[in-house]
Amino acid sequence: AQSVTQPDIHITVSEGASLELRCNYSYGATPYLFWYVQSPGQGLQLLLKYFSGDTLVQGIKGFEAEFKRSQSSFNLRKPSVHWSDAAEYFCAVGGSQGNLIFGKGTKLSVKP
Amino acid sequence: GAVVSQHPSWVICKSGTSVKIECRSLDFQATTMFWYRQFPKQSLMLMATSNEGSKATYEQGVEKDKFLINHASLTLSTLTVTSAHPEDSSFYICSASARTGGEQYFGPGTRLTVT
Repeated sequence: AQSVTQPDIHITVSEGASLELRCNYSYGATPYLFWYVQSPGQGLQLLLKYFSGDTLVQGIKGFEAEFKRSQSSFNLRKPSVHWSDAAEYFCAVGGSQGNLIFGKGTKLSVKP
Repeated sequence: GAVVSQHPSWVICKSGTSVKIECRSLDFQATTMFWYRQFPKQSLMLMATSNEGSKATYEQGVEKDKFLINHASLTLSTLTVTSAHPEDSSFYICSASARTGGEQYFGPGTRLTVT
């Protein structure tokens, strides 16, 4: 079955600390992988995506993610978190037709 | 950048009535639009995919007679929840893509509460 697992429901980090959000997927074909961020009252914004090629992907706002096929993972990282990064983060997997399967999301809180 | 709007942002309706939610792509033509439903602390669940001028394709378990989707133009898709019941209360999100398999741009969502 196709699925996305985000094992952490809620993570709290201190401002300036590093961040890693975990994502594991199950997908029958070559996956297209995405990370989105959702802030209250705003639509989901694409942070980064992986289709093929270099397994380390750079995104907006200083985020990066690494695709590890052997571990079926696509973890999101940021070296230094800012207070404005507090939001809900969703990992998603899809195919060439565009249909996306989302994880349940990880809520990020940032301590001053 | 590509902007997608939804209207209304929130709506309260009585059980048994119907409610229509609009999704508009403001600065691009959307060949494909998607409708999702999001429960609290849950992931977005794809309800249906619609292509302009064609009938929507519904995901398994989604009642097409209850959730009517119309994609009449390249910038507008509507979702009508017919004979709404309290269990239909949810957060409905649309997204739009300029081409099949292209990047999806998401609307801000519509909170539906059925009393």
